[in-house]
Formats: sequence, C-alpha cells, structure tokens
Amino acid sequence: AQSVAQPEDQVNVAEGNPLTVKCTYSVSGNPYLFWYVQYPNRGLQFLLKYITGDNLVKGSYGFEAEFNKSQTSFHLKKPSALVSDSALYFCAVGTIRGTNAGKSTFGDGTTLTVKP
Amino acid sequence: EPEVTQTPSHQVTQMGQEVILRCVPISNHLYFYWYRQILGQKVEFLVSFYNNEISEKSEIFDDQFSVERPDGSNFTLKIRSTKLEDSAMYFCASSTYRDREGGYTFGSGTRLTVV
Repeated sequence: AQSVAQPEDQVNVAEGNPLTVKCTYSVSGNPYLFWYVQYPNRGLQFLLKYITGDNLVKGSYGFEAEFNKSQTSFHLKKPSALVSDSALYFCAVGTIRGTNAGKSTFGDGTTLTVKP
Repeated sequence: EPEVTQTPSHQVTQMGQEVILRCVPISNHLYFYWYRQILGQKVEFLVSFYNNEISEKSEIFDDQFSVERPDGSNFTLKIRSTKLEDSAMYFCASSTYRDREGGYTFGSGTRLTVV
C-alpha cells in the first residue's frame, strides 16, 4: 500500500520569504512523487514530479521539490513566495502496473497563505 | 494549451437518481481517470481506464459506479443510484503513456450535489 502524509494543515509565510510545504511518503518499490496546486473553485494543476534522476526537481511557477530517499520526504519549496501562491497544495504518490493506467494517492493537502 | 473539459460544471440530483458525468480528455491522451474531492478536502482515486478497460479501481468504486468511453472523444462516469454521500466534486483527468503514474491534466470538475 502507498500513502502520503502532509503534516501541516496550514503554512503561513510573508511575501518574499522562502516557503516549504512538507510531504513524506510510504511506498513499496520506487516512488513516483508529484505536487499539485488547487486554487479556490478550480481543478488541480500539476506542478512537478520526481520519477528518477536528480533529487532536486524544478517545476512550474518557480517551485521546486527535493526528493530525500533516506527521510522518505518530498518537500515543496520556493525561494521567494508571492501572494498569488496562496492556494491548497497536494502531494501525491503514484503507482503503475505494466502499461496500464496507474493511480495516485493524495495527501490531505496543505493550505499555503502568503501575506503581503 | 490543451484542456480536459468536464460537463456539467454543477449538477443537482435527487437521491436514488442516476447521473452521468461527462469528460472530454485531451485528444492524444490514451489514459483516463476519475477522482473525487469532498468539500475541498482530500482527493480520492476512483478509477483508471486504458484500452477500453478499467486498469485500477478503488473501494469507493462499487457496483453503483461505471465508466465508459462511448466514442473517440468522451469519457463518462455513471452513478446508478445516487446517495447523499456521493455529493462531491468529481474530477476527470487524462495522461499520456509517459505520465500514466501521475502528473495528469485534470479538468475543472463537476460539483455533484445529491439532495
């Protein structure tokens, strides 16, 4: 079974400061890890993913995430937060079997609030 | 930029009625998914679909649920006899082979309200 934990329901940060949204995972086998963002009354937007390769993954809107195998973590980061980054962020872990469609398991979400 | 389109955006139905939620995936995508989200909370996997077959389904996806790709463009989710607890936002997603484990393109969702 696979699972994802987002330990913080809410993260508050001042505009211009660095932000981190935490995620830890549990999977058997190699992890496929993802971050999505959801703005109010909108769908989920894919930000970035880790499949293999460099532990630091860069994504949309200046976000990046660091894969840490020993700590089973995949924290989302941004060097300088913007007010417009305020949204609900989901970490997810995916699995696949052969050529079939897979499934992703989502964390509970973290609400990021960036204050001016 | 290609989009996944879902209709209707909001549907209200009476308990026990059948509903069909419609989705038009991105045209060159071959992998399709349904997820749901209750009250802006956790996003839950329902079903994934490839090559006209269900690849995986969750415990939520019981006999009341079915999916179909009736033609070359639509992907539908049917709930045969809706219950109050089926009220949620339902998201359709699609992907290429490369992204079939995640990193999907999601639609804007259909808000289903069962009364």
